[in-house]
Amino acid sequence: DIQMTQSPSSLSASVGDRVTITCRASQGISNYLAWFQQKPGKAPKSLIYAASSLQSGVPSKFSGSGSGTDFTFTISSLQPEDFATYYCQQYNSYPYTFGQGTKLEIK
Amino acid sequence: QVQLVESGGGLVKPGGSLRLSCAASGFTFSDYYMSWIRQTPGKGLEWVSYISSSGSTIYYADSVKGRFTISRDNAKNSLYLQMNSLRAEDTAVYYCARGANSDYWGQGTLVTVSS
Repeated sequence: DIQMTQSPSSLSASVGDRVTITCRASQGISNYLAWFQQKPGKAPKSLIYAASSLQSGVPSKFSGSGSGTDFTFTISSLQPEDFATYYCQQYNSYPYTFGQGTKLEIK
Repeated sequence: QVQLVESGGGLVKPGGSLRLSCAASGFTFSDYYMSWIRQTPGKGLEWVSYISSSGSTIYYADSVKGRFTISRDNAKNSLYLQMNSLRAEDTAVYYCARGANSDYWGQGTLVTVSS
């Protein structure tokens, strides 16, 4: 199975900050990587697919990059609604696997 | 708009069975392959099973292989997960999700396995 290692596991930041989360795959996954946002009690919401493509309706302050084994996810200017948990997921090969999540908290 | 609505969760004893359903609307269901994904507080998100658009190709996570069966009825725009021989570690919120990159998710249904 492909292991997805996400870092950091938690992050404190302020409104207006730029934050970056990284995700590393244990083997190459090309660009078959997605990023999700989850708020408490809600289902995950897809933000980015194919490592860098924004889902329809997702604000451009969210961005992703990378290919192969190393990926990054960035929020350019944090707003109060962005404080949530973020997950990466590889969909290159079964079983699809997720990172352990990054909890983004208000400083 | 795309909607996925899960149902069928509940409390079941170890060794018992449950059948989850996912009703899809707002898109051509038969064009998409579908997945079940579960979430536990301790283990985060875990992909469970996948079924191709026609139902001809199916994959399972090792943790559920031989106990869970995924199926779909394209005429009814519905996805199913038959769960047998349930264990305490199957306790989770179960989500259905659309497509390779899971672009849409349902709201989830809670399965609790406990005596």
